[in-house]
Amino acid sequence: QVQLVESGGGVVQPGGSLRLSCVASGISFSRYGVHWVRQAPGKGLEWVAFIRYDGDNKYYIDSVKGRFSISRDKSRNTVYLQMNSLRPEDTALYYCAKDVSRSPPIYIDLWGQGTLVTVSS
Amino acid sequence: EVVLTQSPATLSVSPGERATLSCRASQSVGSNLAWFQQKPGQAPRLLIYDASTRTTGIPARFSGSGSGTEFTLTIGSLQSEDFAVYYCHQYNNWPPWTFGQGTKVEIK
Repeated sequence: QVQLVESGGGVVQPGGSLRLSCVASGISFSRYGVHWVRQAPGKGLEWVAFIRYDGDNKYYIDSVKGRFSISRDKSRNTVYLQMNSLRPEDTALYYCAKDVSRSPPIYIDLWGQGTLVTVSS
Repeated sequence: EVVLTQSPATLSVSPGERATLSCRASQSVGSNLAWFQQKPGQAPRLLIYDASTRTTGIPARFSGSGSGTEFTLTIGSLQSEDFAVYYCHQYNNWPPWTFGQGTKVEIK
C-alpha cells in the first residue's frame, strides 16, 4: 500500500526554523514530482512548493520564496521542506502530496496525513 | 495566477438527493481540473481528474463535467459518507497550482 508520512512539525517562535520530512512507502518516490500543500486552521488548501522527480526544478508560492526550500533525498525516499524565517501566517497543517507524473507535473493523486506547524510567541 | 471560485460555499442536501457543485476559473484551464473530497480530520482524497475522469475506487455517483472556465461536480443520490468539503484544483497554468475555497456539503 502506497503511503506518505510527514513529520517535523511543531511549535516555533516567529523568525524560527523547522524542517519537514515526507517519507514514502510502497513506491519509489524518486519517480514522481512532489508538492507541499498547507491548510491553515479552518481554511482551504494552499499550494506551497513543488519539486520535480529528479530535483532539478523547484517552484514556490510567492509568499514563501526566499524563506522555504524544497529538496529530496533519493536514497531515503524522502522529500523535505526547510522553512526559515517563519511567520504567524505560516501556521498550518502541511501536507506532502505526490504528483501522478514524473515530468512535467500533472495532478496530485495521493496525500499524506499532514504535520502541524504552529508559529507563535 | 488562476483564481478558482466555488459555489455555493455551503450546500444543504438530504440523503438520497443530488448535489451539484460549481467551480469557475478566472481564465481557461482546458480540462486540467481535479476535484478532491476532504472529511474532518482527514487528508484530501482525489475523486476526479481531467475534469471528468473518476479515479480508481470512486463510486459512479460522482461525476465531473465542464471545460475551459466552468466546471461541475455532481454527486447523485448522496450517501452519509459523502458529507464533506469538496475542492476543485487546476493544474493547467502553474506555478502556482491553485485550489478553490471549497464547498461544504452538509446534511439538510
